[in-house]
Amino acid sequence: NAGVTQTPKFRILKIGQSMTLQCTQDMNHNYMYWYRQDPGMGLKLIYYSVGAGITDKGEVPNGYNVSRSTTEDFPLRLELAAPSQTSVYFCASSATSGQLNTEAFFGQGTRLTVV
Amino acid sequence: SQKIEQNSEALNIQEGKTATLTCNYTNYSPAYLQWYRQDPGRGPVFLLLIRENEKEKRKERLKVTFDTTLKQSLFHITASQPADSATYLCALPARKLIFGQGTELSVKP
Repeated sequence: NAGVTQTPKFRILKIGQSMTLQCTQDMNHNYMYWYRQDPGMGLKLIYYSVGAGITDKGEVPNGYNVSRSTTEDFPLRLELAAPSQTSVYFCASSATSGQLNTEAFFGQGTRLTVV
Repeated sequence: SQKIEQNSEALNIQEGKTATLTCNYTNYSPAYLQWYRQDPGRGPVFLLLIRENEKEKRKERLKVTFDTTLKQSLFHITASQPADSATYLCALPARKLIFGQGTELSVKP
């Protein structure tokens, strides 16, 4: 059971380039999330999804886009990379239990540097 | 807007002592609250969930309390060990899953 898988693990982008961070989960979870974590800081929610075809903004969505065409996949798109987007990106998923989210499972992270 | 605050200063304690970490929240009435552990370079790992009708929850050396009047949760690690050194995050789940900034715990032998 792979859990949550993110690719790539590391990436260096030039300013203005675009890229897609991939995230897939094999636990049939409805909820998926993208976070960024700057050095010494907490997790900031970028976007989240409560099911296939449904996405919504989190705390820091500017400069990013997402899609959720299947339950398993939740890619994060950076269109015009900026140095401020240098960060570690985490994808996570969780199931639902009635009205409650259960524990979230995280991927291993993608370390992105924009130069 | 919803806000979660944890002690930003690192907590340094001696092995064997009890570590207590605080999580405060505002503009929110959560039905439950979660605690996670994060080691350097890795994603957070779930530890405990406590519901609003549970005043206290225990798991091995971990204890969590939840005071909805004070809008606060306390996370205790008893008989702490150097292996407990990590960053601990509280999270408020709803449609969004929002985290506090985390408190770094260092347990010295």
